[in-house]
Amino acid sequence: DAKTTQPPSMDCAEGRAANLPCNHSTISGNEYVYWYRQIHSQGPQYIIHGLKNNETNEMASLIITEDRKSSTLILPHATLRDTAVYYCIVRVADYGGSQGNLIFGKGTKLSVKP
Amino acid sequence: KAGVTQTPRYLIKTRGQQVTLSCSPISGHRSVSWYQQTPGQGLQFLFEYFSETQRNKGNFPGRFSGRQFSNSRSEMNVSTLELGDSALYLCASRRDDNEQFFGPGTRLTVL
Repeated sequence: DAKTTQPPSMDCAEGRAANLPCNHSTISGNEYVYWYRQIHSQGPQYIIHGLKNNETNEMASLIITEDRKSSTLILPHATLRDTAVYYCIVRVADYGGSQGNLIFGKGTKLSVKP
Repeated sequence: KAGVTQTPRYLIKTRGQQVTLSCSPISGHRSVSWYQQTPGQGLQFLFEYFSETQRNKGNFPGRFSGRQFSNSRSEMNVSTLELGDSALYLCASRRDDNEQFFGPGTRLTVL
C-alpha cells in the first residue's frame, strides 16, 4: 500500500504557484520523497526527489518539513500544460539494487485554469 | 537521447487470447519495469527485469509473464486474457537510481 496521503484534487490559476501537499507520517529515516506526474494518457514523468533538505530543479521545488512527516511540491508558475495527476511516493534509495518498483497511490489531480 | 518506446500503442483482443507487448528502454538503461494501470486499481507494479533476469515481482497471477533480452529490450506476455486485463500497460527503464523513465504505454482492450 502507498505510504502517502494526498488530496484527491486541486485547482490553480494559470501563472500562479501550485502547492501540492503530501503527508507521509510513517516515513523512515532512509526513505526519500519522490514526485511524479502523469499527464492524461501518457506515462508518468519524474519531477523531483529529496531526503530532508529542500530541493529545486527546473521543473519544481520540494519542501520537506523538519520532522519529514509531510512535504509540498511547488510549481512556481503553473501553466495549462501542468494539468496532470501528481503522485507523491516514499521509498528507500535503491542505487543499483533490486527494488525497482514504485508504489503509486491515487495522487492529486491538479487542474490549472486560465 | 531517445525515450522509452512501447509497441504497439493500442491493441484489441478477445477473451482467451494471449498478447505480447514490447518495450525498448533508453540506451544504457539495464533495468526495465512493467506496470498496469486501470481506473479501479490505479498504477500497479508487475515485475522488473535486470540483465535478463526477473528480480522483483508484483502480486499478479502467473498469466502475466515477461522476459528481457541481451540488448535490454523487454517483452511482457498475458495469456488467457480476461476482461479485467483491459488496461494501460506501462514500461519504465532506469539506470542505477530511482529515477524511472516511463514509456507512453500500450492500451489493451479485451472484448
